[in-house]
Amino acid sequence: DVKVTQSSRYLVKRTGEKVFLECVQDMDHENMFWYRQDPGLGLRLIYFSYDVKMKEKGDIPEGYSVSREKKERFSLILESASTNQTSMYLCASSPIRQRLKNYGYTFGSGTRLTVV
Amino acid sequence: GQQLNQSPQSMFIQEGEDVSMNCTSSSIFNTWLWYKQDPGEGPVLLIALYKAGELTSNGRLTAQFGITRKDSFLNISASIPSDVGIYFCAGLRASGSRLTFGEGTQLTVNP
Repeated sequence: DVKVTQSSRYLVKRTGEKVFLECVQDMDHENMFWYRQDPGLGLRLIYFSYDVKMKEKGDIPEGYSVSREKKERFSLILESASTNQTSMYLCASSPIRQRLKNYGYTFGSGTRLTVV
Repeated sequence: GQQLNQSPQSMFIQEGEDVSMNCTSSSIFNTWLWYKQDPGEGPVLLIALYKAGELTSNGRLTAQFGITRKDSFLNISASIPSDVGIYFCAGLRASGSRLTFGEGTQLTVNP
């Protein structure tokens, strides 16, 4: 069964802490994405990556960075966590465009992060 | 970034009722996808549509790719309690690998 695995389902961190959210996929997908989901705002793209060591900003990159050292792993980093980063974070992966049309994105189960 | 306009934002229905939701855009998409997110989980793909006018079913779900390529709808017939969740539309443009998502429709089904 193909999967996107996020390392934590629930996380509580203090303001100012550096936070790492990890995502691993076992489908050999080229593309990986990080979204945050807030009530009434849908899915907002933070960062994405089309290849190893490659990253591009999404719609709301401020306060976040990412790392993709291996094809299967895409990490989201909150450099200094703040209370307005309390949210559900979703990782997704997808194949290259031709296969993406058939399969869409595969999402992880999400990490609910609370910053206190 | 631009999102698709998805409506309604939320629906409260009785078990057995039919449901309809839609997405519209000011620009053209070449592929439309519909996802469902169960409470506490990530979204899962329900239906993919590839051609303007295409009508596709998956069990009690039916989705259509609008003729103008700027809209799509999803119908759920004879709703059941496990239909509860958030439904997202997503569009893929002619180039690139990035999906554009709607804001989601929160569906509540009362037994």
